[in-house]
Amino acid sequence: DSGVTQTPKHLITATGQRVTLRCSPRSGDLSVYWYQQSLDQGLQFLIQYYNGEERAKGNILERFSAQQFPDLHSELNLSSLELGDSALYFCASSLTDRAEYEQYFGPGTRLTVT
Amino acid sequence: GQQLNQNPQSMFIQEGEDVSMNCTSSSIFNTWLWYKQDPGEGPVLLIALYKAGELTSNGRLTAQFGITRKDSFLNISASIPSDVGIYFCAGLRGTSGTYKYIFGTGTRLKVLA
Repeated sequence: DSGVTQTPKHLITATGQRVTLRCSPRSGDLSVYWYQQSLDQGLQFLIQYYNGEERAKGNILERFSAQQFPDLHSELNLSSLELGDSALYFCASSLTDRAEYEQYFGPGTRLTVT
Repeated sequence: GQQLNQNPQSMFIQEGEDVSMNCTSSSIFNTWLWYKQDPGEGPVLLIALYKAGELTSNGRLTAQFGITRKDSFLNISASIPSDVGIYFCAGLRGTSGTYKYIFGTGTRLKVLA
């Protein structure tokens, strides 16, 4: 158990819909990272927040957005969902905003868009 | 999206054998990480490397940060059935605010008892 929690574990929704994925970092960690893992694309970095502020952006679509709240939990919002958005979405956390430090991954949310 | 090349893509080995895998890129990285992922689970950090040439061990696992900073290697000695899984490398590139982790394509390891 990494100490990172994610909810829900599974999510099934239809194209065009909007969903919110939630992540709680390890106790004491200030940075949260979001990743997408699909069969054909592997693990892709989406975005990072540190202490409530956006720190770095990766391959995140404009239809996706994220935020980190004062209690440090984070939400990833996916809108206008397409079939290709079906994937595992992982959250990871680390102590600082420096990505050189180790990231610890949550169990993931499996999103299925039908 | 961009990914690192990992070799081999998959391998079957006998229990007790040693395993070697590598991760290569045309770009330089500042940090290399190795993760193991079991089916339906998130990646679990195995080893982190911060300096070129660094050799770090974690039990039966040993990883090295390549001298050129463009590659990294992971060795597993005396493999056991629970070593089964997908091993990912990840390289960190860039500076604060613009960096990102690039992940490898994964090496699927299957251990035969």
